[in-house]
Amino acid sequence: AQSVTQLDSQVPVFEEAPVELRCNYSSSVSVYLFWYVQYPNQGLQLLLKYLSGSTLVESINGFEAEFNKSQTSFHLRKPSVHISDTAEYFCAVSSGGSYIPTFGRGTSLIVHP
Amino acid sequence: GAGVSQSPSNKVTEKGKDVELRCDPISGHTALYWYRQSLGQGLEFLIYFQGNSAPDKSGLPSDRFSAERTGGSVSTLTIQRTQQEDSAVYLCASSLEAQGSLEQYFGPGTRLTVT
Repeated sequence: AQSVTQLDSQVPVFEEAPVELRCNYSSSVSVYLFWYVQYPNQGLQLLLKYLSGSTLVESINGFEAEFNKSQTSFHLRKPSVHISDTAEYFCAVSSGGSYIPTFGRGTSLIVHP
Repeated sequence: GAGVSQSPSNKVTEKGKDVELRCDPISGHTALYWYRQSLGQGLEFLIYFQGNSAPDKSGLPSDRFSAERTGGSVSTLTIQRTQQEDSAVYLCASSLEAQGSLEQYFGPGTRLTVT
């Protein structure tokens, strides 16, 4: 069985400050890990993913996430956020043989000017 | 190219009525997924299709919920005798194949309100 925990339901932060959105997963086999972003009134879109290889993955808009197997974590970070980063962020995990990813409950990132 | 589209974008219905939600996946995507998103609850898996077959219906909340997919393309989620607890955003996603390593492409969702 696979599960995902996003510890923070809401993260308020000021513009240009760093941010970390936490994600922990539970799985007994190898995993694929994803971060999706949902802007208001839109569907989810992929931000970045870890399949294999380098444990640090980056997105085109400055986000990065690091796969930590020992801590079963895949936290999302950005060194300096913008107002436009305000959105809901979902962590998801797929484990070996599963066709269906399990999504976390989401973290609402609120960037204040 | 066109992304995943869903219709209607909003639906308000009276308790006890039936509703149909439609999803048009990206052309060529063989896998199609339905999720339900309730406030603060994240995404709840409902059902997925590989082609026209639904190997996993385990997420459907009750027998009032059903879904079909025709021609390996359009899918319809039907909710019979709607209840207030059915109010949520229903999201559809598609991917090239049903594989855990592949990205899912989501539609904008249908917001269902049962009064």
